[in-house]
Amino acid sequence: SQQGEEDPQALSIQEGENATMNCSYKTSINNLQWYRQNSGRGLVHLILIRSNEREKHSGRLRVTLDTSKKSSSLLITASRAADTASYFCATDGDNYGQNFVFGPGTRLSVLP
Amino acid sequence: DAGVIQSPRHEVTEMGQEVTLRCKPISGHNSLFWYRQTMMRGLELLIYFNNNVPIDDSGMPEDRFSAKMPNASFSTLKIQPSEPRDSAVYFCASSFGEHSYNEQFFGPGTRLTVL
Repeated sequence: SQQGEEDPQALSIQEGENATMNCSYKTSINNLQWYRQNSGRGLVHLILIRSNEREKHSGRLRVTLDTSKKSSSLLITASRAADTASYFCATDGDNYGQNFVFGPGTRLSVLP
Repeated sequence: DAGVIQSPRHEVTEMGQEVTLRCKPISGHNSLFWYRQTMMRGLELLIYFNNNVPIDDSGMPEDRFSAKMPNASFSTLKIQPSEPRDSAVYFCASSFGEHSYNEQFFGPGTRLTVL
């Protein structure tokens, strides 16, 4: 069964706008990670947020984590056409190393 | 570093044939992961190794699938016999550390088509 589930499934915005994607999960976690996948490529790690952290920044990326709601959000500010990709959250259950699963992803299209 | 290397990049085979996918992790990484990605099921973890030892193979679909890691720089995923429903993109990833929740570095994938 899937641990993380992103929404929306697809998002289309104009260049320069902000994009927000959400991830919900079911069980306790050690950390949550966000990855990006360009079409036809492997996944690329974006950011990791630990279960005791609430917010983390990396360049134009901002990730929040709410463990009480079992949810996370990824915000991409000032989006660019090059941000067009699928974005996945991945979680690991609190049983170390077990059940590391990716959500189905959000497909982001940034229109020039 | 060249990153995670997978071969072949594309494989087309007929049902019933044996398929072997290969992966070379990043030097110094001690965890290796095999994933399968399809439109229907998304990205699934098949198996992961730590220090060449399989830690979690609960994602391996059935006995037709087997994975080995004879040394720190090489792993194989074998499907025998292959079936059309095995068609997917297979990714290998590696990381440094004991746990699967460390940052993973993905290879470019092998696109498998079973006719």
